[in-house]
Amino acid sequence: RKEVEQDPGPFNVPEGATVAFNCTYSNSASQSFFWYRQDCRKEPKLLMSVYSSGNEDGRFTAQLNRASQYISLLIRDSKLSDSATYLCVVTPGGATNKLIFGTGTLLAVQP
Amino acid sequence: EPEVTQTPSHQVTQMGQEVILRCVPISNHLYFYWYRQILGQKVEFLVSFYNNEISEKSEIFDDQFSVERPDGSNFTLKIRSTKLEDSAMYFCATRDRGSGGYTFGSGTRLTVV
Repeated sequence: RKEVEQDPGPFNVPEGATVAFNCTYSNSASQSFFWYRQDCRKEPKLLMSVYSSGNEDGRFTAQLNRASQYISLLIRDSKLSDSATYLCVVTPGGATNKLIFGTGTLLAVQP
Repeated sequence: EPEVTQTPSHQVTQMGQEVILRCVPISNHLYFYWYRQILGQKVEFLVSFYNNEISEKSEIFDDQFSVERPDGSNFTLKIRSTKLEDSAMYFCATRDRGSGGYTFGSGTRLTVV
Protein backbone atom coordinates (compact mmCIF):
# COMPACT_ATOMS: atom_id res chain seq x y z
CA ARG A 1 0.00 0.00 0.00
CA LYS A 2 1.32 3.47 -0.89
CA GLU A 3 2.23 5.70 2.05
CA VAL A 4 0.08 8.53 0.74
CA GLU A 5 -2.50 7.86 -1.94
CA GLN A 6 -4.36 10.37 -4.08
CA ASP A 7 -6.57 10.24 -7.16
CA PRO A 8 -4.27 11.65 -9.87
CA GLY A 9 -7.15 13.26 -11.79
CA PRO A 10 -7.26 15.36 -13.84
CA PHE A 11 -10.25 17.15 -12.43
CA ASN A 12 -11.65 19.47 -15.08
CA VAL A 13 -14.12 21.93 -13.58
CA PRO A 14 -15.72 25.21 -14.70
CA GLU A 15 -14.94 28.48 -12.96
CA GLY A 16 -17.07 28.90 -9.88
CA ALA A 17 -17.44 25.18 -9.23
CA THR A 18 -16.77 23.46 -5.93
CA VAL A 19 -14.25 20.63 -6.09
CA ALA A 20 -13.09 18.14 -3.47
CA PHE A 21 -9.88 16.12 -3.28
CA ASN A 22 -9.30 13.13 -1.08
CA CYS A 23 -6.20 11.47 0.24
CA THR A 24 -5.49 8.41 2.39
CA TYR A 25 -2.35 7.60 4.32
CA SER A 26 -1.12 4.23 5.50
CA ASN A 27 0.82 5.05 8.68
CA SER A 28 -1.54 5.48 11.61
CA ALA A 29 1.26 7.16 13.60
CA SER A 30 1.50 10.03 11.11
CA GLN A 31 1.70 13.28 12.97
CA SER A 32 1.26 16.29 10.74
CA PHE A 33 -0.78 16.79 7.62
CA PHE A 34 -0.63 19.35 4.86
CA TRP A 35 -1.92 20.32 1.47
CA TYR A 36 0.67 21.75 -0.88
CA ARG A 37 0.13 23.26 -4.28
CA GLN A 38 2.56 22.71 -7.15
CA ASP A 39 2.48 24.56 -10.44
CA CYS A 40 4.05 22.92 -13.48
CA ARG A 41 7.83 22.50 -12.99
CA LYS A 42 7.80 24.70 -9.88
CA GLU A 43 8.45 24.01 -6.23
CA PRO A 44 5.72 22.80 -3.86
CA LYS A 45 4.15 25.64 -1.88
CA LEU A 46 2.28 25.18 1.35
CA LEU A 47 -1.44 25.76 0.89
CA MET A 48 -2.56 24.87 4.39
CA SER A 49 -1.92 22.64 7.34
CA VAL A 50 -4.70 20.21 8.26
CA TYR A 51 -5.95 19.87 11.82
CA SER A 52 -8.19 17.26 13.42
CA SER A 53 -10.88 19.85 14.07
CA GLY A 54 -10.89 20.89 10.42
CA ASN A 55 -9.78 24.28 9.25
CA GLU A 56 -10.70 26.86 6.67
CA ASP A 57 -8.72 29.51 4.83
CA GLY A 58 -10.91 31.60 2.58
CA ARG A 59 -12.27 29.37 -0.17
CA PHE A 60 -10.27 26.36 1.05
CA THR A 61 -11.41 23.90 3.71
CA ALA A 62 -9.35 20.96 4.94
CA GLN A 63 -10.53 18.03 7.01
CA LEU A 64 -8.70 15.20 8.75
CA ASN A 65 -10.20 11.91 9.87
CA ARG A 66 -7.57 10.07 11.90
CA ALA A 67 -9.74 7.00 12.46
CA SER A 68 -10.12 6.49 8.70
CA GLN A 69 -6.66 7.88 7.88
CA TYR A 70 -8.27 10.21 5.41
CA ILE A 71 -7.63 13.85 4.50
CA SER A 72 -9.73 16.08 2.27
CA LEU A 73 -9.50 19.47 0.63
CA LEU A 74 -12.52 21.42 -0.58
CA ILE A 75 -12.16 24.38 -2.92
CA ARG A 76 -15.19 26.61 -3.31
CA ASP A 77 -15.81 29.09 -6.13
CA SER A 78 -12.88 27.80 -8.23
CA LYS A 79 -10.77 30.39 -10.03
CA LEU A 80 -8.65 29.92 -13.14
CA SER A 81 -5.62 30.58 -10.92
CA ASP A 82 -6.46 27.51 -8.83
CA SER A 83 -5.31 25.30 -11.73
CA ALA A 84 -2.37 23.32 -10.35
CA THR A 85 -1.45 19.97 -8.84
CA TYR A 86 -2.54 19.56 -5.22
CA LEU A 87 -0.23 17.45 -3.09
CA CYS A 88 -1.30 15.64 0.04
CA VAL A 89 1.65 15.52 2.45
CA VAL A 90 2.18 13.87 5.84
CA THR A 91 4.99 13.53 8.33
CA PRO A 92 5.51 9.97 9.59
CA GLY A 93 5.80 10.84 13.26
CA GLY A 94 8.46 9.84 15.74
CA ALA A 95 11.84 11.50 15.51
CA THR A 96 11.58 12.32 11.83
CA ASN A 97 10.21 15.48 10.28
CA LYS A 98 10.61 14.47 6.67
CA LEU A 99 7.64 15.05 4.39
CA ILE A 100 5.97 12.14 2.61
CA PHE A 101 4.24 13.29 -0.55
CA GLY A 102 1.36 11.85 -2.49
CA THR A 103 1.57 11.83 -6.26
CA GLY A 104 -0.81 14.79 -6.45
CA THR A 105 -4.16 15.55 -8.01
CA LEU A 106 -4.22 17.74 -11.10
CA LEU A 107 -6.91 20.42 -11.19
CA ALA A 108 -7.76 22.30 -14.37
CA VAL A 109 -10.29 25.11 -13.97
CA GLN A 110 -11.91 25.99 -17.28
CA PRO A 111 -13.25 29.45 -18.22
CA GLU B 1 9.25 37.16 2.25
CA PRO B 2 12.46 35.17 2.98
CA GLU B 3 13.48 32.79 0.22
CA VAL B 4 15.51 29.66 -0.23
CA THR B 5 17.79 30.24 -3.22
CA GLN B 6 19.02 27.40 -5.41
CA THR B 7 21.66 27.46 -8.11
CA PRO B 8 21.92 26.61 -10.89
CA SER B 9 18.32 26.53 -12.07
CA HIS B 10 19.19 24.00 -14.78
CA GLN B 11 22.27 21.84 -15.21
CA VAL B 12 23.08 19.45 -18.00
CA THR B 13 25.86 16.97 -17.32
CA GLN B 14 27.35 13.89 -18.91
CA MET B 15 26.84 10.51 -17.31
CA GLY B 16 29.65 9.76 -14.87
CA GLN B 17 30.41 13.40 -14.11
CA GLU B 18 30.20 14.96 -10.66
CA VAL B 19 27.66 17.70 -9.98
CA ILE B 20 27.19 20.03 -7.06
CA LEU B 21 23.83 21.62 -6.44
CA ARG B 22 23.78 24.68 -4.21
CA CYS B 23 21.23 26.08 -1.82
CA VAL B 24 21.25 29.19 0.34
CA PRO B 25 18.86 28.55 3.24
CA ILE B 26 16.83 31.17 5.05
CA SER B 27 19.24 32.66 7.57
CA ASN B 28 17.61 31.66 10.86
CA HIS B 29 16.48 28.21 9.75
CA LEU B 30 18.09 25.24 11.45
CA TYR B 31 16.94 22.20 9.47
CA PHE B 32 17.88 21.56 5.87
CA TYR B 33 16.58 19.01 3.41
CA TRP B 34 17.01 17.78 -0.13
CA TYR B 35 14.10 16.31 -2.07
CA ARG B 36 13.93 15.20 -5.66
CA GLN B 37 11.14 14.82 -8.19
CA ILE B 38 11.59 12.73 -11.30
CA LEU B 39 9.45 14.07 -14.13
CA GLY B 40 5.85 12.92 -13.74
CA GLN B 41 6.48 11.34 -10.34
CA LYS B 42 6.03 12.35 -6.73
CA VAL B 43 8.38 14.41 -4.63
CA GLU B 44 10.74 12.10 -2.69
CA PHE B 45 12.78 12.74 0.43
CA LEU B 46 16.55 12.34 0.07
CA VAL B 47 18.23 13.63 3.22
CA SER B 48 17.84 15.87 6.24
CA PHE B 49 20.67 17.83 7.87
CA TYR B 50 20.80 19.43 11.29
CA ASN B 51 23.62 20.73 13.46
CA ASN B 52 26.17 20.06 10.73
CA GLU B 53 25.37 16.41 10.29
CA ILE B 54 22.96 14.14 8.47
CA SER B 55 20.00 13.35 10.71
CA GLU B 56 18.17 11.05 8.30
CA LYS B 57 18.56 9.74 4.77
CA SER B 58 16.42 7.69 2.42
CA GLU B 59 17.44 4.55 0.54
CA ILE B 60 17.84 6.73 -2.55
CA PHE B 61 20.67 8.61 -0.82
CA ASP B 62 23.42 6.06 -1.47
CA ASP B 63 27.21 6.45 -1.47
CA GLN B 64 27.07 8.52 -4.66
CA PHE B 65 25.38 11.34 -2.75
CA SER B 66 26.80 13.64 -0.11
CA VAL B 67 25.76 16.87 1.57
CA GLU B 68 27.66 19.54 3.40
CA ARG B 69 27.46 23.07 4.66
CA PRO B 70 30.99 24.20 3.81
CA ASP B 71 30.88 27.85 4.83
CA GLY B 72 27.94 28.21 7.20
CA SER B 73 25.69 29.63 4.51
CA ASN B 74 25.57 27.37 1.46
CA PHE B 75 24.07 23.89 1.74
CA THR B 76 25.23 21.61 -1.07
CA LEU B 77 24.24 18.29 -2.57
CA LYS B 78 26.98 16.46 -4.45
CA ILE B 79 26.38 13.56 -6.79
CA ARG B 80 29.74 11.90 -7.41
CA SER B 81 29.15 9.96 -10.60
CA THR B 82 25.85 10.82 -12.20
CA LYS B 83 23.60 8.24 -13.82
CA LEU B 84 20.83 8.77 -16.35
CA GLU B 85 18.27 7.99 -13.65
CA ASP B 86 19.53 10.91 -11.55
CA SER B 87 17.78 13.26 -13.99
CA ALA B 88 15.18 15.07 -11.90
CA MET B 89 14.24 18.31 -10.19
CA TYR B 90 16.14 18.67 -6.94
CA PHE B 91 14.53 20.85 -4.29
CA CYS B 92 16.23 22.23 -1.23
CA ALA B 93 13.97 22.93 1.73
CA THR B 94 14.63 24.57 5.07
CA ARG B 95 12.69 24.72 8.28
CA ASP B 96 12.66 26.88 11.34
CA ARG B 97 12.29 24.97 14.60
CA GLY B 98 9.83 27.50 15.94
CA SER B 99 7.22 27.54 13.20
CA GLY B 100 7.88 24.08 11.86
CA GLY B 101 6.91 25.21 8.38
CA TYR B 102 9.03 24.24 5.39
CA THR B 103 10.16 26.64 2.69
CA PHE B 104 11.20 25.11 -0.61
CA GLY B 105 13.64 26.58 -3.08
CA SER B 106 12.68 26.88 -6.73
CA GLY B 107 14.70 23.80 -7.61
CA THR B 108 17.53 22.72 -9.88
CA ARG B 109 16.59 20.73 -12.94
CA LEU B 110 19.36 18.19 -13.48
CA THR B 111 19.58 16.51 -16.87
CA VAL B 112 22.08 13.67 -17.25
CA VAL B 113 22.90 12.78 -20.84
